[in-house]
Amino acid sequence: ILNVEQSPQSLHVQEGDSTNFTCSFPSSNFYALHWYRWETAKSPEALFVMTLNGDEKKKGRISATLNTKEGYSYLYIKGSQPEDSATYLCAFSGGSNYKLTFGKGTLLTVNP
Amino acid sequence: DAMVIQNPRYQVTQFGKPVTLSCSQTLNHNVMYWYQQKSSQAPKLLFHYYDKDFNNEADTPDNFQSRRPNTSFCFLDIRSPGLGDAAMYLCATSRTLGHQSYEQYFGPGTRLTVT
Repeated sequence: ILNVEQSPQSLHVQEGDSTNFTCSFPSSNFYALHWYRWETAKSPEALFVMTLNGDEKKKGRISATLNTKEGYSYLYIKGSQPEDSATYLCAFSGGSNYKLTFGKGTLLTVNP
Repeated sequence: DAMVIQNPRYQVTQFGKPVTLSCSQTLNHNVMYWYQQKSSQAPKLLFHYYDKDFNNEADTPDNFQSRRPNTSFCFLDIRSPGLGDAAMYLCATSRTLGHQSYEQYFGPGTRLTVT
């Protein structure tokens, strides 16, 4: 059984704060790490797909880093806005298995 | 424009009464997935289709079946829903299979309530 852990489970920040959260995953037989944003009543939307150790990806105020040797990825949000409020899911694929194993997500609430 | 559509968004069914959830896609993707997400849990893959090839996860209960009559549509049938089957059901697509470096495209989900 593959274990994908996300922390914290939830957090509240004020508008303008920067924040980050963590995804940890098995460090062996790594293929890809995905980040998805899931706003209430909408579809989960892919933010990043990361495949290389040391990868850093950025989309606007959101960025992510990847460390496959130690099995973790950080997602950073700079200057949080209320529209960033969502659940952020990470998902891992590795080994001989094509499928994605998801974490439980981090629920971010940005207060105006 | 919605690319992965799920109907209905909310479904209420009675204990033991068969129910079908529907998913359609406009992406022409080869792969379609069904996930189950229970409250405060991670989305869990139930099964997927690669074209017409059906792949069931080992721990998916027999109560859950799926059909893919064509590229665009995929259905999740729950033959005899129990209270424990109440969950959000997510449909997703991807262009192909591989080592999953291909992102998945999700529908908004169907929230199933079993009374």
